[in-house]
Amino acid sequence: DARVTQTPRHKVTEMGQEVTMRCQPILGHNTVFWYRQTMMQGLELLAYFRNRAPLDDSGMPKDRFSAEMPDATLATLKIQPSEPRDSAVYFCASGLVPLDRNQETQYFGPGTRLLVL
Amino acid sequence: QKEVEQNSGPLSVPEGAIASLNCTYSDRGSQSFFWYRQYSGKSPELIMFIYSNGDKEDGRFTAQLNKASQYVSLLIRDSQPSDSATYLCAVISRETSGSRLTFGEGTQLTVNP
Repeated sequence: DARVTQTPRHKVTEMGQEVTMRCQPILGHNTVFWYRQTMMQGLELLAYFRNRAPLDDSGMPKDRFSAEMPDATLATLKIQPSEPRDSAVYFCASGLVPLDRNQETQYFGPGTRLLVL
Repeated sequence: QKEVEQNSGPLSVPEGAIASLNCTYSDRGSQSFFWYRQYSGKSPELIMFIYSNGDKEDGRFTAQLNKASQYVSLLIRDSQPSDSATYLCAVISRETSGSRLTFGEGTQLTVNP
């Protein structure tokens, strides 16, 4: 049963601390996305990678957020230093870009629920 | 104008009825359209996607796309209490945004037994 996995599932931290979230995309998928969901903003894209290369990080606050893909099976999202306004659910999604681009889909992981006090 | 707009809801229908969820989008160049279901406290789950004008059916779900009107809808036939969730409409506009999914705010559906 192929699925996206994320760790940790829950994280409570204090303002100023570093937070690292990890994602394992579905095996064989070549595109990885980081989304953030809040009640106020809904689901918004932070960054995404294709074949491990960053393609778009325009939704990510550059001063404190960073996203990387050290290898094809691991994507990381770091917040340093964390702030209370970063409290949200962070979803990783993965997808495969097929020859027929119309068939492109994304599958979400279970999310990391982050609370910054 | 928001890029993707959905009926804010909540939408309430009786069990067995047809639930109709609507979505409009502003980018005329949008190419693919998705419906995700999200249960409270869970992650979005892909239900259907559509990219050609007309209807696409999958079991009790039918997605309808009208690019001229920039409108996409999801019909759920024979609604069940287990269909109670938030439904998210999303679009891809590859010319302007690559593989970025732009989501609407979601419509909360409640199916009453």
